[in-house]
Amino acid sequence: DAKTTQPPSMDCAEGRAANLPCNHSTISGNEYVYWYRQIHSQGPQYIIHGLKNNETNEMASLIITEDRKSSTLILPHATLRDTAVYYCIVRVLSYSGAGSYQLTFGKGTKLSVIP
Amino acid sequence: KAGVTQTPRYLIKTRGQQVTLSCSPISGHRSVSWYQQTPGQGLQFLFEYFSETQRNKGNFPGRFSGRQFSNSRSEMNVSTLELGDSALYLCASSLGQVQETQYFGPGTRLLVL
Repeated sequence: DAKTTQPPSMDCAEGRAANLPCNHSTISGNEYVYWYRQIHSQGPQYIIHGLKNNETNEMASLIITEDRKSSTLILPHATLRDTAVYYCIVRVLSYSGAGSYQLTFGKGTKLSVIP
Repeated sequence: KAGVTQTPRYLIKTRGQQVTLSCSPISGHRSVSWYQQTPGQGLQFLFEYFSETQRNKGNFPGRFSGRQFSNSRSEMNVSTLELGDSALYLCASSLGQVQETQYFGPGTRLLVL
């Protein structure tokens, strides 16, 4: 899987949008960008994923640049409950038919939402 | 639909003992992956099971093993425990086909004394 680079920490004021960047300059054409978050000592929670188009769901939006070398996760109205470590993962899509893949986690970005 | 469940949630063992952890995937999911999380190494992939067969394996010693049952529930076993095995052990389930998202359980916190 391609390596990702994320800032180690970020602060965001409660109620404001949190924009979390991720660089994945070596991403290949068939590799998806996945975002998970982990609230202290809990299991990682899936947020969103995309290939090349921007994606939105009830939790967040994912903006992927045209060259696919970077992306931004947007939490539109951050709350205190959004304080967590956010992981950006580039995951290769298996065409072997086996469907097997593993998630390679980096250190992520620790987002602190400030009241 | 119920999420991924893991038992037990907390466990204390001593060096040299062995331990078995259990994971029940989301209903209908056939793939179960196991990860180890430690402060020093972060989240690392252990292995993945699909239809009772190990389909993928990370870089861990043979003391770490697993299996999957016909109902897709999975267990992982660690033999001859070492202090460094203290970690949060996470399992994740998915449908098992290409492009399917993995969903994680709450984890089992193992402390080796």
